[in-house]
Amino acid sequence: AQSVAQPEDQVNVAEGNPLTVKCTYSVSGNPYLFWYVQYPNRGLQFLLKYITGDNLVKGSYGFEAEFNKSQTSFHLKKPSALVSDSALYFCAVRDLSSNTGKLIFGQGTTLQVKP
Amino acid sequence: GAVVSQHPSWVICKSGTSVKIECRSLDFQATTMFWYRQFPKQSLMLMATSNEGSKATYEQGVEKDKFLINHASLTLSTLTVTSAHPEDSSFYICSASLQGARDTQYFGPGTRLTVL
Repeated sequence: AQSVAQPEDQVNVAEGNPLTVKCTYSVSGNPYLFWYVQYPNRGLQFLLKYITGDNLVKGSYGFEAEFNKSQTSFHLKKPSALVSDSALYFCAVRDLSSNTGKLIFGQGTTLQVKP
Repeated sequence: GAVVSQHPSWVICKSGTSVKIECRSLDFQATTMFWYRQFPKQSLMLMATSNEGSKATYEQGVEKDKFLINHASLTLSTLTVTSAHPEDSSFYICSASLQGARDTQYFGPGTRLTVL
């Protein structure tokens, strides 16, 4: 079965420090991976995706993610965190058993950036 | 680009009434739209996938007669919660994609439904 895991419910970082939000996946085949961010009472905003190509993907708001096939990971990173980055982050993988483009979401990680 | 809107952003209704939520892709044509439900501090639960001009595909455990989905055009999908009950209170989010299989899903801002 295909799945996505975000092992941390919450990540706390001081403003200005680098941040990492972890994601691991399990799929049969080549994964299509996504990161989304959700602010309170809002929908999800697309940050970045990996389909193929360079393992380091750059996205919105200074975020990037590194696809690591051997470790089946797709961790989200940012060199210098901002207080405004505090939000709920979701990793997702395309459900390859479906031809409709369904996404399988991780359980979400709350990022708290403190001044 | 790739903006998705939802209306209303929040709604309060009495138990037994029906509520319609609209999802619109504003600057692109969406062949596929998805409806999700999210409980507080939890992940998104896919309810159904709809393709323009065809019947929606519901996920296991989702009552199709309870949650009516209509994808009448390439820019509009609607979710109607029929005979709503308090347990239907939730945050409903739609998303849209251009070509489904490989394309990115773009999400609406969500609709907070409260059933009294």
